[in-house]
Amino acid sequence: DGGITQSPKYLFRKEGQNVTLSCEQNLNHDAMYWYRQDPGQGLRLIYYSQIVNDFQKGDIAEGYSVSREKKESFPLTVTSAQKNPTAFYLCASSLAGYEQYFGPGTRLTVT
Amino acid sequence: AQTVTQSQPEMSVQEAETVTLSCTYDTSESDYYLFWYKQPPSRQMILVIRQEAYKQQNATENRFSVNFQKAAKSFSLKISDSQLGDAAMYFCAYRRGNTGTASKLTFGTGTRLQVTL
Repeated sequence: DGGITQSPKYLFRKEGQNVTLSCEQNLNHDAMYWYRQDPGQGLRLIYYSQIVNDFQKGDIAEGYSVSREKKESFPLTVTSAQKNPTAFYLCASSLAGYEQYFGPGTRLTVT
Repeated sequence: AQTVTQSQPEMSVQEAETVTLSCTYDTSESDYYLFWYKQPPSRQMILVIRQEAYKQQNATENRFSVNFQKAAKSFSLKISDSQLGDAAMYFCAYRRGNTGTASKLTFGTGTRLQVTL
């Protein structure tokens, strides 16, 4: 089955530690995205990538980093510089010019 | 910058009835797309319907339809014959057109829809 997978579903980390969230797609989509969702707010774009080895900052990129070494994969690292990392993180992908499809999300809790 | 506003934090509808969720947006672009996404308790974002700004005809997908008023920058979602499975958060989203491979979505804050028996 084609789709987008994110792992793990729940992730717990101590403050000051970096953590990497996984996102994989087998839809052969060129573009991939990372969004953050907080209670009472819509999704906000962190980073996006149009092609392999290329990515752009979104609206709230500070404290995050990404890589795009393979078309299928777009991991997100939440660094210790991110002041409020506890949130729900959603990965999405799309064909050029078409709508985005989302993965199931990862709930990150930092204490 | 583009903004999307959903002024109804919560709505309730009885099963089999019709409900309309409101969305307004602000943009200076002429080419863009509008979307409604559904987020059930599983938190998976599911695309419900999309509308191209250049199309005058309102989009329809089974029980879901939109009322797109371009001049008023309004994009409401109508759900007919509501079902218990329609209970979810609904997000309105905007995307610019002609942006190449990737383009970000700008989301509203969502409307929580409850469906009662």
